[in-house]
Amino acid sequence: KQEVTQIPAALSVPEGENLVLNCSFTDSAIYNLQWFRQDPGKGLTSLLLIQSSQREQTSGRLNASLDKSSGRSTLYIAASQPGDSATYLCAVSLPGGANNLFFGTGTRLTVIP
Amino acid sequence: NAGVTQTPKFQVLKTGQSMTLQCAQDMNHNSMYWYRQDPGMGLRLIYYSASEGTTDKGEVPNGYNVSRLNKREFSLRLESAAPSQTSVYFCASSVRTGNEKLFFGSGTQLSVL
Repeated sequence: KQEVTQIPAALSVPEGENLVLNCSFTDSAIYNLQWFRQDPGKGLTSLLLIQSSQREQTSGRLNASLDKSSGRSTLYIAASQPGDSATYLCAVSLPGGANNLFFGTGTRLTVIP
Repeated sequence: NAGVTQTPKFQVLKTGQSMTLQCAQDMNHNSMYWYRQDPGMGLRLIYYSASEGTTDKGEVPNGYNVSRLNKREFSLRLESAAPSQTSVYFCASSVRTGNEKLFFGSGTQLSVL
């Protein structure tokens, strides 16, 4: 079974700082990897989806990279803002359908004004 | 611009009671999913429906039943609630099953006493 790990579980940074969130996975034969944002009491919002053939995806201040061989992905957030405070989860998809999507437990980010 | 709508948002049950969680999406997606989220664990798939008229078990189906009422609606039923089913439940949808960007509802917080 794919194991997805996100360390640290919580992170606090001052506003304006650039930061990196980490996601590691045990099975490198992935189909794609998604990064989600979850606000308290809310559902998950998909931020970026990286296909296995891609090395990175960018959306605004967010950049996600993927290194399948090492089983790692990073989410880079530039010039952090208090509105970025949320829990960020990664999910790794193996070939084979809905039963093969595995979520990490997330990193809770707090951006301090 | 509703996306995925879940009801109710909160529910308290006594052990042995039954209830149905409702989910509807307006994005014309073929696939729908029910997940549960527990502290310290990643989201776990309960059941999914790859397309209208089909349902399949996920990782943790015991104690639950589902109905894909039509293309828009996918309900989750607890026939005899147990304290172990205390959790936050999320409905999600995607264009096709597995390996696709997921769109989530805002969740139902369920407590079973």
